[in-house]
This record gives sequence, structure tokens and C-alpha cells, in this order.
Amino acid sequence: GAGVSQSPSNKVTEKGKDVELRCDPISGHTALYWYRQSLGQGLEFLIYFQGNSAPDKSGLPSDRFSAERTGGSVSTLTIQRTQQEDSAVYLCASSLDRPETQYFGPGTRLLVL
Amino acid sequence: SQKIEQNSEALNIQEGKTATLTCNYTNYSPAYLQWYRQDPGRGPVFLLLIRENEKEKRKERLKVTFDTTLKQSLFHITASQPADSATYLCALVAGGDDKIIFGKGTRLHILP
Repeated sequence: GAGVSQSPSNKVTEKGKDVELRCDPISGHTALYWYRQSLGQGLEFLIYFQGNSAPDKSGLPSDRFSAERTGGSVSTLTIQRTQQEDSAVYLCASSLDRPETQYFGPGTRLLVL
Repeated sequence: SQKIEQNSEALNIQEGKTATLTCNYTNYSPAYLQWYRQDPGRGPVFLLLIRENEKEKRKERLKVTFDTTLKQSLFHITASQPADSATYLCALVAGGDDKIIFGKGTRLHILP
């Protein structure tokens, strides 16, 4: 079956522009996570969606970052007015219920010039 | 503050030997701990999960231990192979919280 997919795989943008990153989780998975991974760093939690519950946004680094999940499936992470420090790999993961086994997508590599 | 620490230096192990990676944590009471493998340019892949009431978990050549007194997990790869070369990430989930906290990972090189 299909795994988690993310698009685009790479994104180069200019400072100040807005970007949208997309995640398609595994069908039937109710939990969806976004992480950010900078070069040589671990995964930094950004946001967590679980079913119809209010998302846990505690990891979003600033109000320039937002995410939504439509119909309990596809999720979009939006970064407004991008800054150079936003350059990183953005990873999405989904799991069946609680995060006991997370399945990760390949990530979107974002470069802000 | 809460921290998860993994060996920051790369680990070089001769093929056929056992590789042991360490994950230490402070100020957490994890309900369970996970290990993931990450290859360059790819997302992490889940390997093993061990719960707070379990001391050891095995899967093929992999073994994980969990010592809640020492606040430490050890990840072992026996009969290591060059294909085991990757970065290995430790992650934990605190009780009652669905947020997973990841360590920075340890790069493992298995030398032929």
C-alpha cells in the first residue's frame, strides 16, 4: 500500500514569500504530525493532529507557521513571510492512533534564499 | 529542563561486531521509548518500541533495553553489516502525552 507522501520534495523560495507544504498520510491513520529537521539536528516537533480533536500547536516556532488538516486526511503546513532560518527539511508522519508507530514521509527540503 | 541525549560523535564499528548506541534522558517519565533508523535524504523508519514496564525487546538482530532507574535505553545491533550504516534516533513519549520527543541521533558506520 501507499506510504506517507509529501510534496513538493524540494522547494526554493525567496525570503519574505509564503510557502505551502503538503502531506498525504496513510489512509485510515487518524494521527498526523509535522516535524522540522535542520542540518545535523534532531527532529523538532511542530504540530499534531488527532482525529477531530483540536490540534496540538505547541511546537510551532512563530505565528508565521500554521497548519490545517482537511477532512481528517491531507494536511498543509503554511509558512508565511519565510526567513532564512526556516530552511530545513519538513517531515510529516502519520500513525493509526496513538503514536506507537509513526510512518514518515520523505520530507520537503525547503531552502529560503 | 527535559533533555534526550544520544552519542553526538559518529560510531565506527567493524563488520560482524555488535554495535551499541545509547540514549539518556532527564526529567521525563516516558510511557515508552522508540528507536528509528534514518538514511540520508529519507524520513525516519520505525524499528522498535519498548514500554516502561519492559526491560528488553528483540527483533531479529536488534535488541533494545530500557532502564527507567538509570533513565537510559541501549540499542544493540548484533552481527553488524555495512548496510546497517545509518543514523539511529531515539524518541520517547511521556505518559499521558501523545507528543514524541526525538534525540538528535547517532551516526553509525559499519566498516567492511
